[in-house]
Amino acid sequence: GAGVSQTPSNKVTEKGKYVELRCDPISGHTALYWYRQSLGQGPEFLIYFQGTGAADDSGLPNDRFFAVRPEGSVSTLKIQRTERGDSAVYLCASSSGQGMEHEQYFGPGTRLTVT
Amino acid sequence: GEDVEQSLFLSVREGDSSVINCTYTDSSSTYLYWYKQEPGAGLQLLTYIFSNMDMKQDQRLTVLLNKKDKHLSLRIADTQTGDSAIYFCAVLTGGGNKLTFGTGTQLKVEL
Repeated sequence: GAGVSQTPSNKVTEKGKYVELRCDPISGHTALYWYRQSLGQGPEFLIYFQGTGAADDSGLPNDRFFAVRPEGSVSTLKIQRTERGDSAVYLCASSSGQGMEHEQYFGPGTRLTVT
Repeated sequence: GEDVEQSLFLSVREGDSSVINCTYTDSSSTYLYWYKQEPGAGLQLLTYIFSNMDMKQDQRLTVLLNKKDKHLSLRIADTQTGDSAIYFCAVLTGGGNKLTFGTGTQLKVEL
């Protein structure tokens, strides 16, 4: 596909469980970003990858959150011991590293509900 | 850190112009953006402006930037019902890597 894809589109989990959210960036995009959007708010930055490495993880709220991008393409956001406050839409974006790297293109998001 | 503010709601009649406003705090911001979000959908990049410009026009969209007042606006000419959505202002910060978003302005277009 041409755009950023995210799976699953919806995830319901119980408090205390572990979840993984997946992001497939636009082919060839070297930069990948995760954001979190709570109800009625704008997206908030979580983490940014350039290639395989996390270049900026200053937005991760605590050590229950972790993200990887082992081959520089697909990324997985991992949340341990989920809490009800983690309920939000998790958005992934990617950008090209070739001159227009500032344009971030977003996926449809994964809606996470922690019960 | 960066703070981006927007008014929450705007209602206009079909065919009129809409103006959505945004203020920000970080004067070192390089790029400023407008995104559109429709119900149940992701964020769509509408347009952006580089900080050394004061105006950019793209079809029905006009972006105005006042760097002195740290004020950004989006004008939509001939607003249509399909323009009804939430519009987010965003500013590139953190050394050019992360976007800081406003809370969004819900635009309602009435017939």
